[in-house]
Amino acid sequence: EVQLVQSGAEVKKPGESLKISCKGSGYSFTSYWIGWVRQMPGKGLEWMGIIYPGDYDTRYSPSFQGQVTISADKSISTAYLQWNSLKASDTAMYYCARARSIWWPPELIYWGQGTLVSVSS
Amino acid sequence: QSVLTQPPSASGTPGQRVTISCSGSSSNIGSNTVNWYQQLPGTAPKLLIYSSNQRPSGVPDRFSGSKSGTSASLAISGLQSEDEADYYCAAWDDSHVVFGGGTKLTVL
Repeated sequence: EVQLVQSGAEVKKPGESLKISCKGSGYSFTSYWIGWVRQMPGKGLEWMGIIYPGDYDTRYSPSFQGQVTISADKSISTAYLQWNSLKASDTAMYYCARARSIWWPPELIYWGQGTLVSVSS
Repeated sequence: QSVLTQPPSASGTPGQRVTISCSGSSSNIGSNTVNWYQQLPGTAPKLLIYSSNQRPSGVPDRFSGSKSGTSASLAISGLQSEDEADYYCAAWDDSHVVFGGGTKLTVL
């Protein structure tokens, strides 16, 4: 069974750094793209970026380029989303999701449970 | 303002057929396939339609998708109370994905 398990909720202060994780299991981790999606409170879905763990090829939405870093560690089947300096506006639910197939384009079909990030002074 | 335009709300009665539209441009819907996601309250999104008109295994055939030019539609026939949710369209645009703003479907 394909599963994506995300790290737990975080409460941080503005200016702090943060790295949240998404561990895949039940499939070949290096063969499928994994994407990250943001959902701010009461708002819609926003696509942040996607990574191919096989060769670490990463694509970012222009809205998030330079604001976050997406990475992966093949050895532990885990993808990451990282901030160097959080802002209050980063408060949101963050979802990771795996592609449906190994072929391009990747449609996100298996979703993690979400990680709630709260940033407040 | 989302790149893909959806109506903010839609409604229907049980058994009815409803459609949700998604309008884009030549750089996204016009040149790529469309995916549709359903998000029930408090849950992660679920892929309903991929490649504009394909259903993943387990998605009822009451859900169907279509695309024409720079627009796409999601149709739900035989509306059921459990279909009350937010629906989002998505498409690749250059090297990234853009979502619609979402449509809240109410089953009256």
